[in-house]
Amino acid sequence: AQKITQTQPGMFVQEKEAVTLDCTYDTSDPSYGLFWYKQPSSGEMIFLIYQGSYDQQNATEGRYSLNFQKARKSANLVISASQLGDSAMYFCAMRDTGNQFYFGTGTSLTVIP
Amino acid sequence: DAGVTQSPTHLIKTRGQQVTLRCSPKSGHDTVSWYQQALGQGPQFIFQYYEEEERQRGNFPDRFSGHQFPNYSSELNVNALLLGDSALYLCASSLETGPETQYFGPGTRLLVL
Repeated sequence: AQKITQTQPGMFVQEKEAVTLDCTYDTSDPSYGLFWYKQPSSGEMIFLIYQGSYDQQNATEGRYSLNFQKARKSANLVISASQLGDSAMYFCAMRDTGNQFYFGTGTSLTVIP
Repeated sequence: DAGVTQSPTHLIKTRGQQVTLRCSPKSGHDTVSWYQQALGQGPQFIFQYYEEEERQRGNFPDRFSGHQFPNYSSELNVNALLLGDSALYLCASSLETGPETQYFGPGTRLLVL
């Protein structure tokens, strides 16, 4: 069975500080993909970053980086220099070899001015 | 470049009725997936369409059905609506040859009374 776990229902961060959102996953597939999405109150899921299971280096996209620790089955999202516009729900997701996606329950991030 | 579009944006139905939701994928994408997101939860995979066929299906009853057209657009049909079907329905598109990036539409908010 595939499973994504996000243990932080809510997080607060001071503006301009960095924050780490935790994600662990469980799979027996040899090949899989890991994703982070941002969901503002409007509801649209915005793609942030992707990490393939065979990628040697951690993925980075601007202020977003994915701390991939394969042995620990963790894929934490690091947001640097937080901005007020970063306040939103953040979802970790995994794609299995059958191209099916599994999402965690999300973390609500609030950036404090 | 048009992203994923969905219609309608909001819908109110009563129990027992049927509903059809529509999705147009991002330009060039050939794979469409549908998700149900209940309030406060992560998206749950309903099914995925590729080459006009259902390729993967999540744990949803047969009341949920879909279709993909030759232009890759897709419909989600839900019959015999239940109160518990009230949710945000998200459509996502991707490339069969490049599933690492899945883009979501703005969603359709369905309320069943």
